[in-house]
Amino acid sequence: QITLKESGPTLVKPTQTLTLTCTFSGFSLSTSGVGVGWIRQPPGKALEWLALIYWDDDKRYSPSLKSRLTITKDTSKNQVVLTMTNMDPVDTATYYCAHTPLFGLFDYWGQGTLVTVSS
Amino acid sequence: QSVLTQPPSASGTPGQRVTISCSGSSSNIGSNTVNWYQQLPGTAPILLIYNNNQRPSGVPDRFSGSKSDTSASLAISGLQSEDEADYYCAAWDDSLNGLHVFGTGTKVTVL
Repeated sequence: QITLKESGPTLVKPTQTLTLTCTFSGFSLSTSGVGVGWIRQPPGKALEWLALIYWDDDKRYSPSLKSRLTITKDTSKNQVVLTMTNMDPVDTATYYCAHTPLFGLFDYWGQGTLVTVSS
Repeated sequence: QSVLTQPPSASGTPGQRVTISCSGSSSNIGSNTVNWYQQLPGTAPILLIYNNNQRPSGVPDRFSGSKSDTSASLAISGLQSEDEADYYCAAWDDSLNGLHVFGTGTKVTVL
């Protein structure tokens, strides 16, 4: 049974750096083909893909946010960490992590964590 | 930055058939498979259709998907009240270094 859960601050100030952790179980990020992605959703708006990391440390980023994002993995802890620099109120959103068995597919999702950017 | 275009809304009465379109390009839908997600109010998305037309275990067969060239569609047959949700198409895009793209989302209302 695959489960994922996001954790991190619920409130950050503008210009600060956001660090989110995805802790998962039921799979290993050392298994060939497996990856974890981050997706966000501003209130009332559509889903937006942010980043992906695969078992072989292949990393992909949204072109529009690439300069602000870093994704890393800790295979021993079953965790994936996303950092986003220079946070702005428009970054207020629910942030999800999800398991991906191949490019373009997210088959298991975490419950999401709402991050509000405000001074 | 959605590059897959969906109608903002769709509706039907219980028992009707509703279809949602998803329009993309040669670098995404034209080159890769399409997946669909259902998001019930206040919850995380769940995978509804993968690989254009495959249903994960537990998804009712009233949900079906199809793809043609650079477009895809999701059909809900025998619409039920619990189908009221937001629906998103998605695909991998081969442009730049490769990226994942979601659709703009469609709100389905059961009248």
